[in-house]
This record gives sequence, C-alpha cells and structure tokens, in this order.
Amino acid sequence: GAVVSQHPSWVICKSGTSVKIECRSLDFQATTMFWYRQFPKQSLMLMATSNEGSKATYEQGVEKDKFLINHASLTLSTLTVTSAHPEDSSFYICSARDRRKPNTEAFFGQGTRLTVV
Amino acid sequence: ILNVEQSPQSLHVQEGDSTNFTCSFPSSNFYALHWYRWETAKSPEALFVMTLNGDEKKKGRISATLNTKEGYSYLYIKGSQPEDSATYLCASHTGGFKTIFGAGTRLFVKA
Repeated sequence: GAVVSQHPSWVICKSGTSVKIECRSLDFQATTMFWYRQFPKQSLMLMATSNEGSKATYEQGVEKDKFLINHASLTLSTLTVTSAHPEDSSFYICSARDRRKPNTEAFFGQGTRLTVV
Repeated sequence: ILNVEQSPQSLHVQEGDSTNFTCSFPSSNFYALHWYRWETAKSPEALFVMTLNGDEKKKGRISATLNTKEGYSYLYIKGSQPEDSATYLCASHTGGFKTIFGAGTRLFVKA
C-alpha cells in the first residue's frame, strides 16, 4: 500500500524554540495533506489542510502564525511549531490522499510525539 | 449529531469472543465513512471505505455495515485474536472532503 513517512517520530525541545515536522508521500503524489493533533484520550483533531502550491486552510481555533504549514511539492508538507510552549506538547500526525484517487482512504504517517520542556 | 462518536471507548474480550462497536456520524453532507485500525507505535491503517447506505464490507474476520440515513456504522470482529488488539477509528468524510475522526474504540483481546 501507499506509504507516508513522517519525521521525526519524537522530539523534545526547549520552550521558545521552533520544531519542524515533515510529512512525505513516498510512492504517490498528494495535492492535499492533512495535519492532526491528538491529546491523550481524545480524538484526532484536524488542525489544517495543506494544499500544494497555495496557503493552508486552518481549522477554527488553530493559530496559523503558531503552526506554519508549507506544502512546496506534491510529495512534501511541513508543519513548524513556532516558539513552542509546554502546552504545545502533543501527538501530531499527518495524512495524505493519492491525488489520482481523491475519494479513497487517506494514508497516515507514523506520527510525531512533541514534548516541550 | 455534529461530531463523530464511537462507543464503547474501550473493550476487553477473551480470545475467541466475537465483538462489535459503533460509530455515529452526521448524516447530512455524508460522502464516505472510513474505518482504520491503529496499533501502538504504527500508522493508522485503512480497513474499509464505505459510501452507500446498506454497504457491508468484509476483510477476513472483520466486517462493517453502514446506515447513512440514520448515521451509524458497526464494526464486527468474529473470533477475536490477541493480534486484533488495537484502536479502531472511524472517520466521516464530508462533501467538503473534510475528515472528522471519532475518538476510537480501544480493543484488548486477552489470550
């Protein structure tokens, strides 16, 4: 099946620093990628939809200046958590759909566990 | 229903038991319902994509049904095995191509 690679799988950073998470589709092109966040015992919450070559669409309540998304190619989207604070500690996971099959299931990355100390 | 809701939140069964759990979703603007299986330390893996009312899909011992009019789907596992232990997520795919996830049902199968 299609593979989405997400890096890093875990990261610990100091408060005030920025962290970049990469989401890469390895064997298909993805016009759209999705970024989710999950707090313990809660649902995957959609943060933003990343569109290749254009601005990301952010969900209500998600600060676009805090969570910078760049989707520069059909196989790569990045999420940068800027000036991270302990409350940003969470599990972040991306997904992508094959642009040739927009109505099918999404393929997920492995997720990134971010801890801000 | 505005959100996707799954029940129960967790489930403990013995090996060999059959089990099922529920996903409720908004019936308006419905496009597709996805079931994923998420094992610890791995990526969520797609099980089924269901689009039509009355759809029934099967993969080995796992099957799912869909009722789009009343907004629910059931996932069934026949003869549970320890390797079935995972979190089962459902997600509603709306006409705007937005995917809303439920919180998942965490299944524990004891040998």
